[in-house]
Amino acid sequence: AQSVSQHNHHVILSEAASLELGCNYSYGGTVNLFWYVQYPGQHLQLLLKYFSGDPLVKGIKGFEAEFIKSKFSFNLRKPSVQWSDTAEYFCAVLRGGGYNKLIFGAGTRLAVHP
Amino acid sequence: SQTIHQWPATLVQPVGSPLSLECTVEGTSNPNLYWYRQAAGRGLQLLFYSVGIGQISSEVPQNLSASRPQDRQFILSSKKLLLSDSGFYLCAWGLLGSPLHFGNGTRLTVT
Repeated sequence: AQSVSQHNHHVILSEAASLELGCNYSYGGTVNLFWYVQYPGQHLQLLLKYFSGDPLVKGIKGFEAEFIKSKFSFNLRKPSVQWSDTAEYFCAVLRGGGYNKLIFGAGTRLAVHP
Repeated sequence: SQTIHQWPATLVQPVGSPLSLECTVEGTSNPNLYWYRQAAGRGLQLLFYSVGIGQISSEVPQNLSASRPQDRQFILSSKKLLLSDSGFYLCAWGLLGSPLHFGNGTRLTVT
């Protein structure tokens, strides 16, 4: 079945540690890729997106993600996390070719300890 | 600028009662509209999406239905709620190929 997989459901880090959250998708063809973040008590916000061009995408708050087409992956990274990065992170895939469906992964809950 | 309104924010309903959640978008025309349900550990599950008035696509067979009576209005309904319908429901809008913008959500508890 076509899907979006996030490998880690819960991640616990100390401040200043590096972060990498995995995301793989199983759709063929053109895709647009997104990472959304949901801070505690807040609604979903777009962190970054990939449509085309440079596969290394930089988003807000120091986050970046790399699209590796051969691996069907779009992993999220941050060199040094802060306590304020504690949130749930969702990878999402929008299929190209006129499709309108944005499919989300199950999410990764990140807790950063001071 | 575009805004999305979703209400109510919280709702407690008994099993077997009907449901109507409403979502409206301002500041854009002919948006794609979506209903998602967010459950702990399961991420966001796409329930319905609509590319135009009266055009509804259902992703998951279930006890819910959706309607789009106007260009910027999207309604999620049920005739008889089940316990398993409890969850956090999110409305979203977007244009083709662009990121989605989400409402603040409705937390539904079926008792």
